Amino acid sequence: GENVEQHPSTLSVQEGDSAVIKCTYSDSASNYFPWYKQELGKRPQLIIDIRSNVGEKKDQRIAVTLNKTAKHFSLHITETQPEDSAVYFCAASRTGGFKTIFGAGTRLFVKA
Amino acid sequence: DGGITQSPKYLFRKEGQNVTLSCEQNLNHDAMYWYRQDPGQGLRLIYYSQIVNDFQKGDIAEGYSVSREKKESFPLTVTSAQKNPTAFYLCASSMGRSRLAGGNNEQFFGPGTRLTVL
Repeated sequence: GENVEQHPSTLSVQEGDSAVIKCTYSDSASNYFPWYKQELGKRPQLIIDIRSNVGEKKDQRIAVTLNKTAKHFSLHITETQPEDSAVYFCAASRTGGFKTIFGAGTRLFVKA
Repeated sequence: DGGITQSPKYLFRKEGQNVTLSCEQNLNHDAMYWYRQDPGQGLRLIYYSQIVNDFQKGDIAEGYSVSREKKESFPLTVTSAQKNPTAFYLCASSMGRSRLAGGNNEQFFGPGTRLTVL
């Protein structure tokens, strides 16, 4: 069935360093790839997304890249800060109301 | 944090009891979803509904039931048949098949309900 694999499951970086989280998906018809951030005890919230017609999207310190041929996409966080510490989920879906498949999550620790 | 709400925030249940979790949204979204989140794990889909009076099983539907009588509401019942119901339950909504979606299937999550079976 449809699947999204996410690596690593845990990531620890020093404040100011970069963090990279990688995901692969199995459904070749997927064309929408969001990333959600979930702080401890809170709800997941969308931080950035990318559609299949672009290869890269950037929003201040975060960026996402997509390789449709290889069916993988990545989240890049530069100049990490302690408030970036959270669980990050990648996801894949088709547009128009189909269900979204989530990765298992990456717990990011940013050490001050 | 308006738009989609869940109640209660914490819920305790005795074994053998059914319990219903509430989810309401005022975003005029067509699609609604229920996920289960266990410690250190991702989001697993229980049920989803793309339109009123219609819903589909997700990956872990056994022991759960839902209804979608109104666009705004998608309650989840955790039945006594669910073997290990203690978890954090998240409801979400998205525009779904609406023409306004423009290719964006962003999900908006509620604050969650933490269910503990005693």
